[in-house]
Amino acid sequence: DTAVSQTPKYLVTQMGNDKSIKCEQNLGHDTMYWYKQDSKKFLKIMFSYNNKELIINETVPNRFSPKSPDKAHLNLHINSLELGDSAVYFCASSQGQRSPLHFGNGTRLTVT
Amino acid sequence: DAKTTQPNSMESNEEEPVHLPCNHSTISGTDYIHWYRQLPSQGPEYVIHGLTSNVNNRMASLAIAEDRKSSTLILHRATLRDAAVYYCILRDNNNDMRFGAGTRLTVKP
Repeated sequence: DTAVSQTPKYLVTQMGNDKSIKCEQNLGHDTMYWYKQDSKKFLKIMFSYNNKELIINETVPNRFSPKSPDKAHLNLHINSLELGDSAVYFCASSQGQRSPLHFGNGTRLTVT
Repeated sequence: DAKTTQPNSMESNEEEPVHLPCNHSTISGTDYIHWYRQLPSQGPEYVIHGLTSNVNNRMASLAIAEDRKSSTLILHRATLRDAAVYYCILRDNNNDMRFGAGTRLTVKP
């Protein structure tokens, strides 16, 4: 009964490949997010979706494409992976734009 | 970019109170002050948030300065499980939450 779950937990892949990370929340929240935490441990927001509509899109490469099939899911697809994409990616959700965020436990992506 | 300033690290002894400071001198009137913490190998966890008045919950207390340019997260009795990186974040009308470097809290037994 995990609130925000991400799969896979670990992902090791080679440069140039395309991969997806899945996120699901069972809290009934209407807003979901993707954050990236790099090797220096800085957490940066990448995308935010509210009711399946993009509301924040930071300047991430267009190789990253979020997809929200419904309110409970926000998947992250990455094309043509690069070494610099190696990081931990966190999914989160919240109810509305004032309530706290609930984070998943992250997906550690390693690009070789 | 994060709009908040925190000490890089702090130490505390177990079962003693901990006061984690945060400066946010450019805070606007509608920004909420949020605190999250991140334990090793886990995602950030919500701790507390407030706007103007001091706030208490089961995890911590939040003391907000009268001019709102600073705040302090108070852990009343630190335990070893409280060792984490604590983030002070301003959340604006755009729902934007930008994490800074945070304060790494070490709790000594």
